[in-house]
Amino acid sequence: DSGVTQTPKHLITATGQRVTLRCSPRSGDLSVYWYQQSLDQGLQFLIQYYNGEERAKGNILERFSAQQFPDLHSELNLSSLELGDSALYFCASSVYGGRDETQYFGPGTRLLVL
Amino acid sequence: GENVEQHPSTLSVQEGDSAVIKCTYSDSASNYFPWYKQELGKRPQLIIDIRSNVGEKKDQRIAVTLNKTAKHFSLHITETQPEDSAVYFCARNTGTYKYIFGTGTRLKVLA
Repeated sequence: DSGVTQTPKHLITATGQRVTLRCSPRSGDLSVYWYQQSLDQGLQFLIQYYNGEERAKGNILERFSAQQFPDLHSELNLSSLELGDSALYFCASSVYGGRDETQYFGPGTRLLVL
Repeated sequence: GENVEQHPSTLSVQEGDSAVIKCTYSDSASNYFPWYKQELGKRPQLIIDIRSNVGEKKDQRIAVTLNKTAKHFSLHITETQPEDSAVYFCARNTGTYKYIFGTGTRLKVLA
């Protein structure tokens, strides 16, 4: 157990809908990262937050948005969902979000868009 | 380019043999290279990492080597066991805080 928690574990929804994925980092970690992993694919970096502020952005679609709250938990919002958004979404955390810090991953949220 | 090339994509070895997975990159700003193991449907778990100020790091049956000049790093697993079967991902950091992951190697250890 990495200490990173994610809810829900599974999510089934329809095209066009909007969902919110939640992540709580390890105790003491200030930085949160979001990744998308499609079937048999690698991990695609979406976005990073540090202490409430956006720090780095990957290939995150405009339909997706995220934020980190004062209690350091983070939410990833996915809207106007398409079939291709079906994937595993992982959250990771690290202490300061530094360039050479280890990232610890949560158990993931499996999203299925029908 | 930005990507990390990881080879091979699949690897089958007999139990007790060694497995080697190699990753190459081109961004000279990278100075941190973690390796993650992911079992089916589970989270990626860090198994070993290396920073650019060292050329090799070992932890029991697992070792990582880094050649910063040639821009490649490799994962070595010795005395493989069936529980080593999983997908292994290499990664590198960038100059802008994000991590780039390789495409993964599916390792199968045959008993």
